[in-house]
Amino acid sequence: DIVMTQSPDSLALSLGERATINCKSSQSVLYSSNNKNYLAWYQQKPGQPPKLLIYWASTRESGVPDRFSGSGSGTDFTLTISSLQAEDVADYYCHQYYSTPCTFGQGTKLEI
Amino acid sequence: EVQLVESGGGLVQPGGSLRLSCVASGFPFSSSWMHWVRQGPGQGLVCVSHINSDGSNTYYADSVKGRFTISRDNAKNTLYLQMNSLRADDTAVYYCARGGTGFGPWGQGTLVTVSS
Repeated sequence: DIVMTQSPDSLALSLGERATINCKSSQSVLYSSNNKNYLAWYQQKPGQPPKLLIYWASTRESGVPDRFSGSGSGTDFTLTISSLQAEDVADYYCHQYYSTPCTFGQGTKLEI
Repeated sequence: EVQLVESGGGLVQPGGSLRLSCVASGFPFSSSWMHWVRQGPGQGLVCVSHINSDGSNTYYADSVKGRFTISRDNAKNTLYLQMNSLRADDTAVYYCARGGTGFGPWGQGTLVTVSS
């Protein structure tokens, strides 16, 4: 199984600051035939299901504010929130859908 | 509107059974891979099972293999998870989700509590 490791486990920042969450996979999730990274990011608020933010490591899902961006390739990935808003308080998860079983990072709790 | 609605959760004794359902609308269910993901109390997300579009291919996590069965009825736009021989460590919120480029949409989740 591919192990996904996020850092940090928690993050406390101020409104307007930049948040950076890292995700490392134990194996590459880059599929060479289409040059796509099978890596997604989700936001989960208390009592709600996860919400897809980013797929293919850097493609923003429709309706997701452009302050959210994803980067990285192979085994190292980053979710960046450029200017924190109060509504961004949530848990964030990375997820590889490159191989079965799909696996998630342990989550990063973002507080303001 | 793209939507998934789960049902069937509840309180069950160890060794008991439950059948979860997930009704899809607003997207081509019959051509979509579907997934069950669970989240234990205060825990992270774990892929439990998935099924391909026509139901011919399935996957189960080791922790549920032999006890859970995933199935689908494309005529009813419905995904199922039959859970037998339930254990305390199966206690979780169970989400269904559409696969593809990441998972989305997700259902609202249904809580399964295994306790005597």
